[in-house]
Amino acid sequence: GAVVSQHPSRVICKSGTSVKIECRSLDFQATTMFWYRQFPKQSLMLMATSNEGSKATYEQGVEKDKFLINHASLTLSTLTVTSAHPEDSSFYICSARAAASGGLFSYNEQFFGPGTRLTVL
Amino acid sequence: AQSVSQHNHHVILSEAASLELGCNYSYGGTVNLFWYVQYPGQHLQLLLKYFSGDPLVKGIKGFEAEFIKSKFSFNLRKPSVQWSDTAEYFCAVKVSGGYNKLIFGAGTRLAVHP
Repeated sequence: GAVVSQHPSRVICKSGTSVKIECRSLDFQATTMFWYRQFPKQSLMLMATSNEGSKATYEQGVEKDKFLINHASLTLSTLTVTSAHPEDSSFYICSARAAASGGLFSYNEQFFGPGTRLTVL
Repeated sequence: AQSVSQHNHHVILSEAASLELGCNYSYGGTVNLFWYVQYPGQHLQLLLKYFSGDPLVKGIKGFEAEFIKSKFSFNLRKPSVQWSDTAEYFCAVKVSGGYNKLIFGAGTRLAVHP
């Protein structure tokens, strides 16, 4: 239980194009999903918090018009990197928090996806 | 602002050596504490967590951590490491309120030599 998937796992794109990354909770409903960015040999930096059916909350310094987040259902959130540039190349990781506690799932715990490596040429 | 500091960026040990990784946080309110592990090429996995109760928490793979409130610390320990413990370890804190977001430390890269 508590599996979070991301698609694609790896993407290479040209500068100026947009890239969409999907995050899915496979066996539980997630009211909240989080998007992180991890630079090589560094820690995870929270980019934004996504709540189902409402606008995402972005961390300071993260451009909301560049990193579009949509959380249309309780099992899916998407991150779209618009007009990508080489400096956007990074490892993007999502996590999901269960809608309720019970069984394997704790409301206070986040389950992480495997990450998406974005390379912008 | 809340922050998490991990004192050791790189740790190199031989198999069977004991491990202790430091983690300190800055926040005066109620916190939930986590240790995550990231094996090479894999995603983050939860090692253990502290929400309340016994401050000595036991996790998977023989790891444990002790929450010392007075020291704002949550150090990770393992009495005898194995080569397979080679990974990066992240301490994280969830503060109360808001959307309960996690704040991560910078991570500690552990290399265990056979």
